[in-house]
Amino acid sequence: SQQGEEDPQALSIQEGENATMNCSYKTSINNLQWYRQNSGRGLVHLILIRSNEREKHSGRLRVTLDTSKKSSSLLITASRAADTASYFCAKETSGSRLTFGEGTQLTVNP
Amino acid sequence: GAVVSQHPSWVICKSGTSVKIECRSLDFQATTMFWYRQFPKQSLMLMATSNEGSKATYEQGVEKDKFLINHASLTLSTLTVTSAHPEDSSFYICSAVGDYQYNEQFFGPGTRLTVL
Repeated sequence: SQQGEEDPQALSIQEGENATMNCSYKTSINNLQWYRQNSGRGLVHLILIRSNEREKHSGRLRVTLDTSKKSSSLLITASRAADTASYFCAKETSGSRLTFGEGTQLTVNP
Repeated sequence: GAVVSQHPSWVICKSGTSVKIECRSLDFQATTMFWYRQFPKQSLMLMATSNEGSKATYEQGVEKDKFLINHASLTLSTLTVTSAHPEDSSFYICSAVGDYQYNEQFFGPGTRLTVL
């Protein structure tokens, strides 16, 4: 698959717990980006991590990138019900083209 | 931040008709725009890359005569779904790349197309 893989496909947790989503890819990348999408809505850009970076933080979000394993993870700490959404990783290769992963559907129960 | 709009946000049409979707970068010039399609509960699939003033580059399996793309200016790209059929019903999302660091893509809110 050109898209690579994300896991888990679905994740259900309680408010306050942490959520971890993983993304793998097959080809070399310029950077890797994480997006959030609420049902039937557009994409919200969360974090971009470059290929020479290993970790990045933004508020309650932490992204790691392991280029040797061709994988990335998104950690959401202290989750809230409002974090319920689909989360996608997107790999940027040449010419700004993005290849999206299958996505993880996160449900945070109040 | 950079804003990308799409019009219409949703459209319902009869089978056989053509539908035009607009993608505009509101506060920046977009040298490149991308068109994606997303079926329910699936990921985004890149359909084509649109560069201002040149022909669009279509991904493998996407019919260029079916999905006409015009990028006539640095702020507007249009996608026309010609002779639409029910299987074309989907969520169409555009994104635009401006002269920003890392060539970040800014996404539009999407257009829900339903073909009856």
